[in-house]
Amino acid sequence: SQTIHQWPATLVQPVGSPLSLECTVEGTSNPNLYWYRQAAGRGLQLLFYSVGIGQISSEVPQNLSASRPQDRQFILSSKKLLLSDSGFYLCAWSNQAGRRSGNTICFGEGSWLTVV
Amino acid sequence: AQSVSQHNHHVILSEAASLELGCNYSYGGTVNLFWYVQYPGQHLQLLLKYFSGDPLVKGIKGFEAEFIKSKFSFNLRKPSVQWSDTAEYFCAVRDSGYALNFGKGTSLLVTP
Repeated sequence: SQTIHQWPATLVQPVGSPLSLECTVEGTSNPNLYWYRQAAGRGLQLLFYSVGIGQISSEVPQNLSASRPQDRQFILSSKKLLLSDSGFYLCAWSNQAGRRSGNTICFGEGSWLTVV
Repeated sequence: AQSVSQHNHHVILSEAASLELGCNYSYGGTVNLFWYVQYPGQHLQLLLKYFSGDPLVKGIKGFEAEFIKSKFSFNLRKPSVQWSDTAEYFCAVRDSGYALNFGKGTSLLVTP
């Protein structure tokens, strides 16, 4: 069965420091991968998605970037964190069966980032 | 751009009460519709989904949702809630793209 791993689970970083959140998916190949941010009262905001290695689409301009160095690895990064980057970050995956198949998105357990 | 609206941000119900959480979306074309649930301390998980066929969809734990195309709605229902249904509920829509667009969520508290 497919599993998704995301780490670290919690992170406290000073303003201006770099960030790297990692996500890997097991048990599938060529998945679509996503990074979402969940903020209180704002629901889930899509940050990035990727349909293949090296292919990244950004939904919201911000202080973050994403990379997909391998098929099942998705990394969320920042060179210099801002206070406003604090939040709960969720990695997710779905298969490439196509939109009309109704394939679902499955989420990791999330990473709590606090920028101080 | 696609938008998803959840009408209630906080709902408090007593056990055995009936539940209906509203969800409306703005996209006029073919959509896939989802409800996700996040129990305290747990990750998001799929409650139910609709992508074609019978507009009344049954999910896990006695939940159901009805897709009304003319109203652009996908409301979540449960006839009798339990204390264990306390969670945050998210409606999500996929239009022509790959990713899901989520509503802001509804926090449900069920009291004994």
